[in-house]
Amino acid sequence: KAGVTQTPRYLIKTRGQQVTLSCSPISGHRSVSWYQQTPGQGLQFLFEYFSETQRNKGNFPGRFSGRQFSNSRSEMNVSTLELGDSALYLCASSLSASSTDTQYFGPGTRLTVL
Amino acid sequence: GNSVTQMEGPVTLSEEAFLTINCTYTATGYPSLFWYVQYPGEGLQLLLKATKADDKGSNKGFEATYRKETTSFHLEKGSVQVSDSAVYFCALSNGGGSNYKLTFGKGTLLTVNP
Repeated sequence: KAGVTQTPRYLIKTRGQQVTLSCSPISGHRSVSWYQQTPGQGLQFLFEYFSETQRNKGNFPGRFSGRQFSNSRSEMNVSTLELGDSALYLCASSLSASSTDTQYFGPGTRLTVL
Repeated sequence: GNSVTQMEGPVTLSEEAFLTINCTYTATGYPSLFWYVQYPGEGLQLLLKATKADDKGSNKGFEATYRKETTSFHLEKGSVQVSDSAVYFCALSNGGGSNYKLTFGKGTLLTVNP
């Protein structure tokens, strides 16, 4: 079974631009979560989607948004990019989103904001 | 709220040495506990997990026991290899549905020298 895939793997943008990142979960998984990883803040939860509904959101500004499609694929969007948005963005999928479920991570998208 | 505290690195060991990485947590109820590993340039891989008190998770020679009385989930390996060099993250999941997310510790960089 194919793992979680994320595209693109690397992105370079300038301040003020916007960006869209894509995530394809493991087949059959209905929950998709997004995390931001930075050297200073570590791994921080962005949001979680299940059956096209955002059920949980982390403490990030409204510039960060996402959506999930009927095939469970997910996208996240960051508008008006700031230098501090430079990070590794990780997507994870799980089967049923119970607390005992394992989240399986993709390789991440490395975003650099200049 | 939920939180995870793990020992700060970096940790440097010689091959075949014994490894312990301490992890303690704060959470209400009965969270599930995880150890993830991240190799350079990659996403996170699940190493092991435990979903209830006194459970022992194990994989690839690594072990961790869920200790509710001490709110701990320390990672151990009896004999490390150079290939174990990576960043290790302790994490918890506490609640499904709209509370579904992973809370991570800050990570511990392990370097194993030949």
